[in-house]
Amino acid sequence: EAGVAQSPRYKIIEKRQSVAFWCNPISGHATLYWYQQILGQGPKLLIQFQNNGVVDDSQLPKDRFSAERLKGVDSTLKIQPAKLEDSAVYLCASSFPDRGSYEQYFGPGTRLTVT
Amino acid sequence: GDSVTQMEGPVTLSEEAFLTINCTYTATGYPSLFWYVQYPGEGLQLLLKATKADDKGSNKGFEATYRKETTSFHLEKGSVQVSDSAVYFCALSNTGFQKLVFGTGTRLLVSP
Repeated sequence: EAGVAQSPRYKIIEKRQSVAFWCNPISGHATLYWYQQILGQGPKLLIQFQNNGVVDDSQLPKDRFSAERLKGVDSTLKIQPAKLEDSAVYLCASSFPDRGSYEQYFGPGTRLTVT
Repeated sequence: GDSVTQMEGPVTLSEEAFLTINCTYTATGYPSLFWYVQYPGEGLQLLLKATKADDKGSNKGFEATYRKETTSFHLEKGSVQVSDSAVYFCALSNTGFQKLVFGTGTRLLVSP
């Protein structure tokens, strides 16, 4: 089965510009997550979707970050305007509840550099 | 809030040495515990998991036991290989919440 797909793999932008990342989860996975991984740190959840509804966005900087999951499949994460501290790897993950196990499958990530 | 603390790296070992990476957690309720591995240039992969106290997760020669009394989930391997060089993340997920809370990661470097 195909894994979680993300694009682009790399992106370099200047501060105050905008950027968007795309994620296609594993087919049939209802739950989709976006994590931010800053260099030297563990991933931190930004937003979690269940189908096309938001379950948790408590750590999403809503003044500059937005995300949507139209039709409960693909998702887009946007940053506008970007700051230097947004330089990180943005990971998308998906999961399908199976007997109470919510194993998450991660995509390869998008490495963002803000200059 | 929930948190995970793991030993800082890098951990540098020779091939066939014994590996331990310490992980402790703070959480309400009864979380599930995970070890994820990130090989160079690749995404995070689930290495092993344990969903309740005293459970032992194992995979590819790695093991970790869920110790509720010490709130720990230490990763061990009896004989590491060069191919085990990667960053290892300990994580927890609380029932009903699903989201993963990660530690900061431990880089393992294995030399021939």
